[in-house]
This record gives sequence, structure tokens and C-alpha cells, in this order.
Amino acid sequence: AQSVTQPDIHITVSEGASLELRCNYSYGATPYLFWYVQSPGQGLQLLLKYFSGDTLVQGIKGFEAEFKRSQSSFNLRKPSVHWSDAAEYFCAVGSFSSGSARQLTFGSGTQLTVLP
Amino acid sequence: DTEVTQTPKHLVMGMTNKKSLKCEQHMGHRAMYWYKQKAKKPPELMFVYSYEKLSINESVPSRFSPECPNSSLLNLHLHALQPEDSALYLCASSEGQLNPWEAFFGQGTRLTVV
Repeated sequence: AQSVTQPDIHITVSEGASLELRCNYSYGATPYLFWYVQSPGQGLQLLLKYFSGDTLVQGIKGFEAEFKRSQSSFNLRKPSVHWSDAAEYFCAVGSFSSGSARQLTFGSGTQLTVLP
Repeated sequence: DTEVTQTPKHLVMGMTNKKSLKCEQHMGHRAMYWYKQKAKKPPELMFVYSYEKLSINESVPSRFSPECPNSSLLNLHLHALQPEDSALYLCASSEGQLNPWEAFFGQGTRLTVV
């Protein structure tokens, strides 16, 4: 069965500092990987996705992520964090469930706090 | 239009009430989802509709009843809920066969059961 692990429950960075959020997955085949962001009381917004091809993917809001098959990782990065980046970040893997339906499996999330 | 619209945004209901949550999308997506999210937790999948047919029911209690009247609409009917059902209920949609996992989420309905 597929699973996603986000080892860091909470990360605090200063505004302008670089950011890396960790994500490890377990999946038998080539994974379809995603990062979503959720501001308090809001829905989730897709930041970026990896399906195949170039292992470094660019997303919205200046985020990027790198797929490393050897490490089963898909870490999210941003060179310079803005105060508005404070939110909950979820890594997810796309998987097949029973029958033909498909779904996302989410990690437990990482809460990002940005200090002024 | 890349929006998933959920109504209402907030709902307070008693344990004997019947209410419904509504979700609408006009992106032509053929898969729609209901998720439940408790505070500080990831979303938990409840139901999946694929081509307007219920394809996944993740062992959700019968007091939650989904309905997909057409390809653009998804409802969640609520009856005799418990206080522990209080949560953020998220609707999402995805293209279906071509891109099944790139989900667009609504802003959610914050449900409080009293």
C-alpha cells in the first residue's frame, strides 16, 4: 500500500530565509507526487506536481520540488520565504484504490511559521 | 473557470437536524470527492464519484449520504450527526481518466454539530 511521510510536524523560518520541507513516499510503481498548501480554514491549493520526466519541477509562488527515486523523496524548496507562505503543507501521492477509482494519499502535513 | 464552489461556508446543526452540503464545478471534471478534515490533520477521503457513479465509500457511517445529481454537482446529506463529526468538509474534483489525481479543492464547509 502507498504511504507518505512528512517527518517535520512544524518548521519555523525567518522571512527571506530558504526553506526545505521533506516528503518521503512508499509506492511500488512510478509515483505521481504532489504538494498542496492550505491556509487556515481554507481549502487546499496545488503547488506543483510530478508525473514523469525532469526530476526538478517548478510550481506556483516560487516553489520547486525535486524527485529523487533512490531516496524515495520529493522535497519542497523555496529560496526566499515570504510571510504569506505561512500555512500547512501537504505532500501527496496519487494511487489506485480498489476497482478503477483513483485517489490521493496525503502525508500528515508540515506547519510552516514565518518569523518577521 | 477553475473553481470548486462549496456552500454553505459555515454550518451549525443539532444532532437531530437534516442538512445538506453542496459542491459545484464547471471545469468538465468527471471525478468528484468528499473529504473530511479535522484540525491539524490531513484530509480523509470519504467518497469518490467517477462519471456520476459512486466508486469509493471509505466505510463512512450512513448518517452521511452522498449524491451526484449530474456531472457538475455533488451533495452530501447529513442526518443525525454526532459532535465528533464537527470538521471541515472539503469537496474536490479532478479530470478523471486523463488526470485523475490533480485535484481542485473547494474552500470547504466548516461544520459544527451541537
